[in-house]
Amino acid sequence: GQQVMQIPQYQHVQEGEDFTTYCNSSTTLSNIQWYKQRPGGHPVFLIQLVKSGEVKKQKRLTFQFGEAKKNSSLHITATQTTDVGTYFCAGPYSGAGSYQLTFGKGTKLSVIP
Amino acid sequence: DAGVIQSPRHEVTEMGQEVTLRCKPISGHDYLFWYRQTMMRGLELLIYFNNNVPIDDSGMPEDRFSAKMPNASFSTLKIQPSEPRDSAVYFCASSFSGGWGNEQFFGPGTRLTVL
Repeated sequence: GQQVMQIPQYQHVQEGEDFTTYCNSSTTLSNIQWYKQRPGGHPVFLIQLVKSGEVKKQKRLTFQFGEAKKNSSLHITATQTTDVGTYFCAGPYSGAGSYQLTFGKGTKLSVIP
Repeated sequence: DAGVIQSPRHEVTEMGQEVTLRCKPISGHDYLFWYRQTMMRGLELLIYFNNNVPIDDSGMPEDRFSAKMPNASFSTLKIQPSEPRDSAVYFCASSFSGGWGNEQFFGPGTRLTVL
């Protein structure tokens, strides 16, 4: 089945530093989604990328979808304590009449004030 | 909009007991998903429904787990008998027309502890 790998698993940064998490799929994706889960909370949808090479920005967050549509990244500029949480990428998988999102293990971000 | 509603938020039970988790999806959403989250295995899809019909239950760990969706506004996930290794956070999520193409809205989760 499809696998979605994320690195790093953990990242500790000083407030104000940049942060990047990477997502790689074993298969070509039709789209990729990113979610954020705050400590003790639930995953919340951030964005969806669909086009090859697509780049989208949300304030200090920049999302990229690779040209081959097999990898993606999330970059946060000048991290703040409010960025703390786990960031997940998720890719759709279809097979045998089933369609589902496969989530990466996530990157847990800690921000040191 | 109330979002996805799950109950209970916390459940502590003893091994061998039956556990029932409940979910109310967002009105109008036709897909409902049950996930389990643990430190070791991350976020795993257990089962999902489309228009109240189970589509894929390949993620259900074993026969002790069962899920139902009797109508568009209610679903249950039952574990009988429960075991300590079932301890996890269980999320219900819903989406409109697909989920793989559209965002999924997660409920607050049920934190299950089996002693």
